[in-house]
Amino acid sequence: ELKVEQNPLFLSMQEGKNYTIYCNYSTTSDRLYWYRQDPGKSLESLFVLLSNGAVKQEGRLMASLDTKARLSTLHITAAVHDLSATYFCAVGTGANSKLTFGKGITLSVRP
Amino acid sequence: EAQVTQNPRYLITVTGKKLTVTCSQNMNHEYMSWYRQDPGLGLRQIYYSMNVEVTDKGDVPEGYKVSRKEKRNFPLILESPSPNQTSLYFCASSLSTLQETQYFGPGTRLLVL
Repeated sequence: ELKVEQNPLFLSMQEGKNYTIYCNYSTTSDRLYWYRQDPGKSLESLFVLLSNGAVKQEGRLMASLDTKARLSTLHITAAVHDLSATYFCAVGTGANSKLTFGKGITLSVRP
Repeated sequence: EAQVTQNPRYLITVTGKKLTVTCSQNMNHEYMSWYRQDPGLGLRQIYYSMNVEVTDKGDVPEGYKVSRKEKRNFPLILESPSPNQTSLYFCASSLSTLQETQYFGPGTRLLVL
């Protein structure tokens, strides 16, 4: 059974500082996805990582994938309040792309 | 506007009373999926569909049925709802088998008494 682990589950960030959050998974996959969810809202797709070494950047967020280590990182540069949300990673497996999510990491940016 | 719609958005029902949650997308996407979200458990995939008439089980399919008779619609059916199916449900779609961005619907909050 595939396990997708995110840590930490909650992170209080100080505005202006850099942080990294992690997603690791227990079986072979080269498809990893990051999503953002604001309180009371639906999910929004952030990044699609489809190969070992893939790196994607959008604004203050940068995601990377190391399939050999079964690890994806989401790096936050100079945190701002707008980044406060819950971030989920998800791993795709199988030819027809069954998707398994982590439990999510809630980020809170304080002044 | 490109979107995924779900109806109803909120539903209170009683144990055993069959219900259907509809999901529709207007983006001509092949891949559609249903998830449930529960506190502390994240999102769990219920069923997914690669195309019309092609569906497969996710991690938590028990107690649910789906059908994909048309490309745009992917209803979720609870034949005999039970309280443990109280949850927040999301439908999502993507252009093909999840190699691209997945678009989520607004969610359906279900309470089974």
